[in-house]
Amino acid sequence: DTAVSQTPKYLVTQMGNDKSIKCEQNLGHDTMYWYKQDSKKFLKIMFSYNNKELIINETVPNRFSPKSPDKAHLNLHINSLELGDSAVYFCASSQAGGVVNEKLFFGSGTQLSVL
Amino acid sequence: AQSVTQPDIHITVSEGASLELRCNYSYGATPYLFWYVQSPGQGLQLLLKYFSGDTLVQGIKGFEAEFKRSQSSFNLRKPSVHWSDAAEYFCAVGASYNTDKLIFGTGTRLQVFP
Repeated sequence: DTAVSQTPKYLVTQMGNDKSIKCEQNLGHDTMYWYKQDSKKFLKIMFSYNNKELIINETVPNRFSPKSPDKAHLNLHINSLELGDSAVYFCASSQAGGVVNEKLFFGSGTQLSVL
Repeated sequence: AQSVTQPDIHITVSEGASLELRCNYSYGATPYLFWYVQSPGQGLQLLLKYFSGDTLVQGIKGFEAEFKRSQSSFNLRKPSVHWSDAAEYFCAVGASYNTDKLIFGTGTRLQVFP
């Protein structure tokens, strides 16, 4: 029954590795997001997709590549992981684009630790 | 550029006491303002939002917030705190140039003592 689910919950890996985080929503929403929360709890948007189309791409290194095979899924691939990538990554969704009108539903987060 | 400041990093209250969490924003026009709550190990959940109209907004779980333009504030209040309210609270503002984007404050951690 989980509305927005992301896996894995925890991810520990070495520098230089490539890893993926998966996100799925069963709410029938059109828009999905990736947010990054750093160690100081600062939460910042990385990407948003509307119906599989990239809408927002903040100033994120191109080592980060989102992929949306369908509107219910938005996966995040990270290449050549660096220490500074350690953070909690949240997936979210909303019925339509425009979060000022739509409520965001968040997943429970993926804690990424790069050693 | 828009920004959000939550001056209190950590607040501790006794169960049953009243609560006020501060939020100040920086934006030239009427902002879209939000409060989200993050329970341990969970994602964020929307408590309430302000777009226009009545400056006192009611949310879920007995929370309310008041928009004060003169003070650029949107403080969150609850008259009587329950132990289950212990969590991290985030204030956010909707970006002007892209309505898909929320700008979050750094959060206030609330501890509740019995």
